[in-house]
Amino acid sequence: AQRVTQPEKLLSVFKGAPVELKCNYSYSGSPELFWYVQYSRQRLQLLLRHISRESIKGFTADLNKGETSFHLKKPFAQEEDSAMYYCALRANAGNMLTFGGGTRLMVKP
Amino acid sequence: NAGVTQTPKFRVLKTGQSMTLLCAQDMNHEYMYWYRQDPGMGLRLIHYSVGEGTTAKGEVPDGYNVSRLKKQNFLLGLESAAPSQTSVYFCASLRSGDYGYTFGSGTRLTVV
Repeated sequence: AQRVTQPEKLLSVFKGAPVELKCNYSYSGSPELFWYVQYSRQRLQLLLRHISRESIKGFTADLNKGETSFHLKKPFAQEEDSAMYYCALRANAGNMLTFGGGTRLMVKP
Repeated sequence: NAGVTQTPKFRVLKTGQSMTLLCAQDMNHEYMYWYRQDPGMGLRLIHYSVGEGTTAKGEVPDGYNVSRLKKQNFLLGLESAAPSQTSVYFCASLRSGDYGYTFGSGTRLTVV
C-alpha cells in the first residue's frame, strides 16, 4: 500500500526567505507524485506534477527515488504563497490519489 | 461551465440522521471521487467511481454508501450519521488520460 508523509503541519517563514515543504512517500511501484495547494477560501488545485519538471509560481519539486522524497521548494517566499499544501501520490488502479496530511505555510511580512 | 459542484455547502445533522451529499460535474469526466478532510490527516478517500454505474471502496468507506447512476453525478450517503463523520467532504473528478483532479468547493458536515 502507498503512503505519503508530510512531517511538518505548520511552516512559518518571513517574506523573501527560502521555503522547503517536505514530502516522503512509500510505494512499491513507480511513483507519480503531485503537489496540490489550497488557498484560503479557494478550492484545492494542482500546483505541479513531478513528470512535468516545471516551475509553477516559482515552486519546484524534484523526485528523489533514493530518499523516496518529493520536497517542494521556492527560493524566495511571498505572502501570497500562504496556503495549505498537500503532497499526493497516484496509484495506477482507478487513478486514485493518496494525500499526505498537509503542511500549512504561513509567510509573514 | 461550472466544473464540480457540491451541495449542500454546510449541514448540521443529529446522530442517527441520514443525508445525501451531491456532487455534479459538467465536464464529462469518467472518474469521480469522494474524500474527507480532517485536520492533520489530509484527505482520505472514501469511495470512488471509474465510470457510470460503477463504484468502489477507498481507504475509509465504513458508514458511507455511494451511487453513480448518471455519469455527471456522484452521490455520497450517510445512512446513520455519527459524530466521527464530522468533517469536510470533497468531491473530485478526472478525465480519462488526464492527471489533474478538479475539486469541488467542499461540504462542511457537523454531526452532533
